[in-house]
Amino acid sequence: DGGITQSPKYLFRKEGQNVTLSCEQNLNHDAMYWYRQDPGQGLRLIYYSQIVNDFQKGDIAEGYSVSREKKESFPLTVTSAQKNPTAFYLCASSWLGTGELFFGEGSRLTVL
Amino acid sequence: GENVEQHPSTLSVQEGDSAVIKCTYSDSASNYFPWYKQELGKGPQLIIDIRSNVGEKKDQRIAVTLNKTAKHFSLHITETQPEDSAVYFCAAPAGGGGADGLTFGKGTHLIIQP
Repeated sequence: DGGITQSPKYLFRKEGQNVTLSCEQNLNHDAMYWYRQDPGQGLRLIYYSQIVNDFQKGDIAEGYSVSREKKESFPLTVTSAQKNPTAFYLCASSWLGTGELFFGEGSRLTVL
Repeated sequence: GENVEQHPSTLSVQEGDSAVIKCTYSDSASNYFPWYKQELGKGPQLIIDIRSNVGEKKDQRIAVTLNKTAKHFSLHITETQPEDSAVYFCAAPAGGGGADGLTFGKGTHLIIQP
């Protein structure tokens, strides 16, 4: 099936640890995105990438890092510098210029 | 950048009644306005969208209207059913062209009362 796969679905981390969330798509989309969702806050853009080996910061990039070595993959690392990392993280992809985003099922990160 | 405001944050309606959710946006260059539905613990799914060259679009029980002059757009759900209960998000392009992602409203929790 074509779609976007995020893993893991649930993740627990101790303070001071980095964690990497995986996002893979087989839709042949050019662009990929990471959003963070908090209760009552909607979805906020962390990073996005329109092409391999290139990415741009979104509205809340501090404490996060990404890479885009392959068209299909866009992993997000939540670093220890992120002050409030507990959240629901959503990955999305799209064809360039269409506007429509296709979302994965999300990864819920809890920092203990 | 684009700013999207969404109201109400919670909407409770009787099954069979209509529901209306409203959004405003700030960037007059925006030309694409999608609506997403998110069920608990899942990713958002596109349910309907509208581009700036039309004023209204319908798909069965759902419709979206757009007023470019006033910079607002609305989602209308008629004959609501229990499966319509979810969180709904409106959005607009973060950059004018859409390749920079979408800016989302804060969401409306729609509750369908039996």
